[in-house]
Amino acid sequence: DAGVTQSPTHLIKTRGQQVTLRCSPKSGHDTVSWYQQALGQGPQFIFQYYEEEERQRGNFPDRFSGHQFPNYSSELNVNALLLGDSALYLCASSLGALAVPDTQYFGPGTRLTVL
Amino acid sequence: DQQVKQNSPSLSVQEGRISILNCDYTNSMFDYFLWYKKYPAEGPTFLISISSIKDKNEDGRFTVFLNKSAKHLSLHIVPSQPGDSAVYFCAATRGYGGSQGNLIFGKGTKLSVKP
Repeated sequence: DAGVTQSPTHLIKTRGQQVTLRCSPKSGHDTVSWYQQALGQGPQFIFQYYEEEERQRGNFPDRFSGHQFPNYSSELNVNALLLGDSALYLCASSLGALAVPDTQYFGPGTRLTVL
Repeated sequence: DQQVKQNSPSLSVQEGRISILNCDYTNSMFDYFLWYKKYPAEGPTFLISISSIKDKNEDGRFTVFLNKSAKHLSLHIVPSQPGDSAVYFCAATRGYGGSQGNLIFGKGTKLSVKP
């Protein structure tokens, strides 16, 4: 049973560019949440997708957008990249937007470096 | 403004002894707390949780204590093993069951268990 997978593993971009990160949830899961973990910090909630809609959003600018596909996989898009966007981006999946937090599984993350 | 604080960036413990990791929070609306363990190049893995109606929860070698009046929780690992060496994150949420995506994380404590 494959867990949460994310691609790519690493990515290097320059300021002003746009980036798309991808996430496939654990088999049987239908809800995807995205987190940003800057160096030396804990993960910070970006947004959550359920039934192909954004259900919750953290304190992130509109440059951060996402999408969920009918197969429950998800993309995170970041436009007009800034140096401060350099971070590990984590995807987490669960079954149902109201599931107990314990049942949320995290992927290994995508390391984004903005030069 | 950090709502979840882990004031010890690192902790070193001898194998077989007790490890105590601490976490403080400021938002009295938080009603569910979790601990995650993170190894390098992997996503956070759920370890143990506690709701605000309890003051203790145990799972094998791991026990979490919650002191609501002090807004403080701690994770005890007894006995500590070298495989426990990892970064431990404390996380909190409000609206248990309704906001499982929006976890607020601390910055983490790196635990080293020496043989």
